[in-house]
Amino acid sequence: AQSVAQPEDQVNVAEGNPLTVKCTYSVSGNPYLFWYVQYPNRGLQFLLKYITGDNLVKGSYGFEAEFNKSQTSFHLKKPSALVSDSALYFCAVRDSGAGSYQLTFGKGTKLSVIP
Amino acid sequence: DSGVTQTPKHLITATGQRVTLRCSPRSGDLSVYWYQQSLDQGLQFLIQYYNGEERAKGNILERFSAQQFPDLHSELNLSSLELGDSALYFCASSPKGRSEASPLHFGNGTRLTVT
Repeated sequence: AQSVAQPEDQVNVAEGNPLTVKCTYSVSGNPYLFWYVQYPNRGLQFLLKYITGDNLVKGSYGFEAEFNKSQTSFHLKKPSALVSDSALYFCAVRDSGAGSYQLTFGKGTKLSVIP
Repeated sequence: DSGVTQTPKHLITATGQRVTLRCSPRSGDLSVYWYQQSLDQGLQFLIQYYNGEERAKGNILERFSAQQFPDLHSELNLSSLELGDSALYFCASSPKGRSEASPLHFGNGTRLTVT
């Protein structure tokens, strides 16, 4: 079975400061990892993914994420937060060995960037 | 704009009733996924269709059913509705082919309110 944990329900950060949104995962095979962002009354928007290769992946809107196999983590980061980054962020995983194409999502982390 | 279209945007109905939610995937996408998002359960995978055939089932209640038509649009049918079925229902699609590395692209959802 595949699962994702986002240990923080909410993260508050001052505008201009770096931000980190945490994610850990559990799979039996190799993980395919994704980050999505959801703005109010909207669907989820794809930010970035890790499939293989470089542990640091870059995505949309200046976001990046670091894959750490030993810690089974895939934390989302941004060097300088903007007020417009305030939203709900979801980490998701797909188990490459499961033969299934569904994504399993974490509970989400609400990011608030304070002006 | 993800290219995934969901209708209606909002639906208000009474307990015991039946509703149908509709999804048109991105052009060329063969897979359609249905997710339910509620405050207490987060994003729950319901069901996946690939090119008209059911591929995977998640936490979908027996009162719920879905299908994918030859033109690839999909419908999610919810019957004998209960108050607890009130939620946001998302449809997502993924690119043609069956790549596990492909992200899902989400529609803006249908907000169902059962009164």
